[in-house]
Amino acid sequence: DSGVTQTPKHLITATGQRVTLRCSPRSGDLSVYWYQQSLDQGLQFLIHYYNGEERAKGNILERFSAQQFPDLHSELNLSSLELGDSALYFCASSPFKGGASTGELFFGEGSRLTVL
Amino acid sequence: AQKVTQAQTEISVVEKEDVTLDCVYETRDSTYYLFWYKQPPSGELVFLIRRNSFDEQNEISGRYSWNFQKSTSSFNFTITASQVVDSAVYFCALSGDAGGTSYGKLTFGQGTILTVHP
Repeated sequence: DSGVTQTPKHLITATGQRVTLRCSPRSGDLSVYWYQQSLDQGLQFLIHYYNGEERAKGNILERFSAQQFPDLHSELNLSSLELGDSALYFCASSPFKGGASTGELFFGEGSRLTVL
Repeated sequence: AQKVTQAQTEISVVEKEDVTLDCVYETRDSTYYLFWYKQPPSGELVFLIRRNSFDEQNEISGRYSWNFQKSTSSFNFTITASQVVDSAVYFCALSGDAGGTSYGKLTFGQGTILTVHP
């Protein structure tokens, strides 16, 4: 158990809909990262928040947005969903501001999104 | 841009065989970090090892060992005496320095599916 909690574990929805994925980082970790794992693209970095502020963006679509709240949990919002958005979405956390260069990332079990 | 290539898409072995998973990386950062993660059938990503670019010592942890060769940009992973429980997808990943152009994000390879048969 990494200590990172993601909900929901599974989600099935229809095209055009909007969903919110939630992540609670390990206790005390200030950094939260979102990654997408799909068959086409593999594991890709989406976005990083540190203590409530956006630190870096990766290959995140404009239809997607994220935020980190004062209690350090994070939400990833996916809107106008398309079939290609079906993927496993991982959240990871670490105590550090500098990403994986400063230490390992601890990953949650992921939220599997299926868009029909 | 950073890139990680895992040569083998799938490997199938019989229990007790040794198996090596290959990883080759590309980066322009002078300081970088290499990782291996394991993804068992349950789906979570499990951290195995992190090495920095200025430490080329090989590492052994139980049945696992890692061979880092900066000259060939490779960071290979060997499982000795494989077991059925080793069956998983293994990912090699690369991170640049936090102050560099890659910021510190993890770039993953495509993964190697390892199946260990009894």
